[in-house]
Amino acid sequence: GAGVSQSPRYKVTKRGQDVALRCDPISGHVSLYWYRQALGQGPEFLTYFNYEAQQDKSGLPNDRFSAERPEGSISTLTIQRTEQRDSAMYRCASSPGYGKGDYGYTFGSGTRLTVV
Amino acid sequence: SQQGEEDPQALSIQEGENATMNCSYKTSINNLQWYRQNSGRGLVHLILIRSNEREKHSGRLRVTLDTSKKSSSLLITASRAADTASYFCASLRSNDYKLSFGAGTTVTVRA
Repeated sequence: GAGVSQSPRYKVTKRGQDVALRCDPISGHVSLYWYRQALGQGPEFLTYFNYEAQQDKSGLPNDRFSAERPEGSISTLTIQRTEQRDSAMYRCASSPGYGKGDYGYTFGSGTRLTVV
Repeated sequence: SQQGEEDPQALSIQEGENATMNCSYKTSINNLQWYRQNSGRGLVHLILIRSNEREKHSGRLRVTLDTSKKSSSLLITASRAADTASYFCASLRSNDYKLSFGAGTTVTVRA
């Protein structure tokens, strides 16, 4: 597509429920990144893919968080047994390169997750 | 953890004035990038400067990089109301492949 698309835009869920956040990157972009942004802060890295391979998941806070990109395009970030502290803006970005960072990232509009 | 720190945290200027914000980072980098975030919208890439570059221009934007001081600055000239936004620097550390963002500078341009 023309840009990075994330869905849903807003998600309110009850504590303990699982949520799945979707990211559709720019067509042909090799690298895909997930970030989390708290209010008033900059984005914090969660995980990163080249094609379908998850290259780095060091930023995932704990084992309730997982991500996949099975066909090297659309990615899903899943949070199991959500907690209130998971409430944040979740941002996805893609870039054409092999994660070398010679390109700027194109970010989606994000998913605002609220856990009540 | 966040690699960069922006200064100031907030900036309020009159339309037509210049806005300058600074970014410091901790480790050696491959490149440094600046992003803008308008209220309620996504992050938009503004400009990228490589570690072997000292200055770069794009329209009304001017970025400098001083690797000896591990710092960068972003200058917006002749500011407009539409420049009201949060600005983030993001560094790509050497031998890394993911950007590390600072906490941002909130710029308000008064009409």
